[in-house]
Amino acid sequence: EAQVTQNPRYLITVTGKKLTVTCSQNMNHEYMSWYRQDPGLGLRQIYYSMNVEVTDKGDVPEGYKVSRKEKRNFPLILESPSPNQTSLYFCASSPPFSGKGYNEQFFGPGTRLTVL
Amino acid sequence: AQKVTQAQTEISVVEKEDVTLDCVYETRDTTYYLFWYKQPPSGELVFLIRRNSFDEQNEISGRYSWNFQKSTSSFNFTITASQVVDSAVYFCALSEADFNKFYFGSGTKLNVKP
Repeated sequence: EAQVTQNPRYLITVTGKKLTVTCSQNMNHEYMSWYRQDPGLGLRQIYYSMNVEVTDKGDVPEGYKVSRKEKRNFPLILESPSPNQTSLYFCASSPPFSGKGYNEQFFGPGTRLTVL
Repeated sequence: AQKVTQAQTEISVVEKEDVTLDCVYETRDTTYYLFWYKQPPSGELVFLIRRNSFDEQNEISGRYSWNFQKSTSSFNFTITASQVVDSAVYFCALSEADFNKFYFGSGTKLNVKP
């Protein structure tokens, strides 16, 4: 089954304790992206990756890191989490530009993170 | 600068009513892409439609229809004869010509009551 998986789905942690949220897709997509969803703000893009070893900042990259060593994986790293990073996080992937416009993004199920 | 505005925070309708969700976008690009996503109470994000800036033709898919108007920078979404299963948060989104960045609106929560 074609899908984007995220782990963990739920995480409660404390300020300053490094954590990684994994994201994996089995559709051989080149483009992957991370978003955070907060009430009243919708989804905001954190980082995206056009391909292996190619990453760039979205709108809200502060406090986050990413890496893209393999095509299928795009982990989100919080090296020193703070309470303002408490949020619902989504990973997404999509196939390359098809000439008829950008294809849809497939979203993972979300990771609910609480930083105390 | 905000790229996508969904001014309606929450809308409540009774089943079988028609409802329109508004989306206004802002971009300087002449080529861009607009999307609608649905987020049901279970939390996943479901793709509904993509519209290219060079194609202003409106689209209908069953009870769903989309009205794209470049003159007013709007991409509105209408549900005809709403059903309880339509209850969800709906997001409008914009991707500009480089296809890298995506901008989502703040979402409109639709409550359809039986």
